[in-house]
Amino acid sequence: DAGVTQSPTHLIKTRGQQVTLRCSPKSGHDTVSWYQQALGQGPQFIFQYYEEEERQRGNFPDRFSGHQFPNYSSELNVNALLLGDSALYLCASSLVGAKNIQYFGAGTRLSVL
Amino acid sequence: SQQGEEDPQALSIQEGENATMNCSYKTSINNLQWYRQNSGRGLVHLILIRSNEREKHSGRLRVTLDTSKKSSSLLITASRAADTASYFCAVTGNQFYFGTGTSLTVIP
Repeated sequence: DAGVTQSPTHLIKTRGQQVTLRCSPKSGHDTVSWYQQALGQGPQFIFQYYEEEERQRGNFPDRFSGHQFPNYSSELNVNALLLGDSALYLCASSLVGAKNIQYFGAGTRLSVL
Repeated sequence: SQQGEEDPQALSIQEGENATMNCSYKTSINNLQWYRQNSGRGLVHLILIRSNEREKHSGRLRVTLDTSKKSSSLLITASRAADTASYFCAVTGNQFYFGTGTSLTVIP
């Protein structure tokens, strides 16, 4: 049973560029959430997708957008990258109604130069 | 912004000792969860306690919840070197909020 998989594992971009991160949820899960974790901090909630729609959103600018596909996989897009966007981006999947227990992928480490 | 804060920020103990870390939060909650993270990797769910529960056990883990004080504690008994990790509380209300984390080092 595959867990949550994220790609790529590492990414280096320059300021102003755009990036797309990908996530495949755990088998049987229908909800995908994205988090940003700066070094030494806790994960911060970006948004959550369910039934291909953004259901909840944290305090992140519109430069952060996402998508969920019919197979429940998801993408996180960040436009006009800033140095401050450098972080570990975590994807978590869950099953709606299952007490919101999240299963995390290993993350994508994004470095913006 | 973080809705939870863990205390202490860092904790170093000898193998076999107990480790206690605390979490305070600001919002009303449906449940509170604890997660572990090894070296900047993905988080692993440890235990969940509902807002109407006061204490819960799972193996060497014991979690308490005091909703009147908006606080929770995680006790790891008989710690092992493999317990070395960062521990985060997460509260589920309107959104999913993680705390700032406690970095635990267990010295063999």
